Amino acid sequence: KAGVTQTPRYLIKTRGQQVTLSCSPISGHRSVSWYQQTPGQGLQFLFEYFSETQRNKGNFPGRFSGRQFSNSRSEMNVSTLELGDSALYLCASSMDSSSYNEQFFGPGTRLTVL
Amino acid sequence: GENVEQHPSTLSVQEGDSAVIKCTYSDSASNYFPWYKQELGKGPQLIIDIRSNVGEKKDQRIAVTLNKTAKHFSLHITETQPEDSAVYFCAYKDSSASKIIFGSGTRLSIRP
Repeated sequence: KAGVTQTPRYLIKTRGQQVTLSCSPISGHRSVSWYQQTPGQGLQFLFEYFSETQRNKGNFPGRFSGRQFSNSRSEMNVSTLELGDSALYLCASSMDSSSYNEQFFGPGTRLTVL
Repeated sequence: GENVEQHPSTLSVQEGDSAVIKCTYSDSASNYFPWYKQELGKGPQLIIDIRSNVGEKKDQRIAVTLNKTAKHFSLHITETQPEDSAVYFCAYKDSSASKIIFGSGTRLSIRP
């Protein structure tokens, strides 16, 4: 069974641009969560999608958004990029949203904002 | 509030010795506690988890203990090997949502 895949793996953008990151969950998984990882803030929850609906959202500005498609694939978008948005963006998938389900992470997309 | 404290931030042990990482969480209603290992250039990998209905779980050289009363949980790695070198994160699943709250991580180094 293939794991969680994320594309692209690396991305360089400049301030003010926007970016779209993609995540394909493990086959059969319907929940996709996104996290931002930085040296200073650690791993922080961005949002979670289940059956094409955003179920939860972390404390990030509205520049961060996402969506999920009917095949459970998910994208996240960051508009008007700032230097502080440089981070590793991780996607995690799970069977559903229940409290007990394990989340499996992809390799991440390394975003650098210049 | 959402918080999990993880100690120590760095840990160096001799190969073959044991390593222990400890965490304290704030959400008393939480019932799922995973541990992740992250190697350089990779995403976090789930290595073991424990649910609130048990106090201890073991998988080969790795064990996790949970004290719900004290809101403490710990990771124990025995007979450490060079490939155990990585950053380890404790976490819990927020009881009101499906998000995972992560600790700040422990960088474990195994000395040959």
